[in-house]
Amino acid sequence: AQSVTQLDSQVPVFEEAPVELRCNYSSSVSVYLFWYVQYPNQGLQLLLKYLSGSTLVKGINGFEAEFNKSQTSFHLRKPSVHISDTAEYFCAGGRGGGGSNYKLTFGKGTLLTVNP
Amino acid sequence: DTGVSQDPRHKITKRGQNVTFRCDPISEHNRLYWYRQTLGQGPEFLTYFQNEAQLEKSRLLSDRFSAERPKGSFSTLEIQRTEQGDSAMYLCASSAGLAGGVSYEQYFGPGTRLTVT
Repeated sequence: AQSVTQLDSQVPVFEEAPVELRCNYSSSVSVYLFWYVQYPNQGLQLLLKYLSGSTLVKGINGFEAEFNKSQTSFHLRKPSVHISDTAEYFCAGGRGGGGSNYKLTFGKGTLLTVNP
Repeated sequence: DTGVSQDPRHKITKRGQNVTFRCDPISEHNRLYWYRQTLGQGPEFLTYFQNEAQLEKSRLLSDRFSAERPKGSFSTLEIQRTEQGDSAMYLCASSAGLAGGVSYEQYFGPGTRLTVT
């Protein structure tokens, strides 16, 4: 079974500082990965996705992530954060291939708090 | 494209009562998923529909839970004889099954927050 591990439950940073939210996955085949953001009392919004191809993927709001197969990681980065980036961030993965239902397995989330 | 909608947004019920939630997916999406999210956790998969067929149910989905998707459009999730442990956010997501391939992205609704007292 696939699993997704987010290594930090909380990450506090100051405004305009860079940030990295860490995610590791375990899967052997046809893995695809996502980062979602959740603001309080709202659903999940897709930030970016890795399906195949270039290992550096860019998403909305200036976020990017790098797929590293050898380290089974998919860390999320932003060079300069804003107060409005304060939210819960979830890493999620799934397996494709024949017979798959493409359901997602989520990490437990990382609360990013941007302080002025 | 109005996105995925869910109704109600909040539901407070007494233990033992039945509740039903509705999800309207993005109109051209034929895949629909239900997830449950408890406080401090990521969403957990409950069940999946492709068109009107329910193709997988998680072990989290006890006999008190039932989901339907008549005519492959909206879906309902019913919980019978609610328990305090059912208190959670129930999220619906949809994705497109494209001809010749699959769209992997899932788009989520705002969720229904259930509180069982």
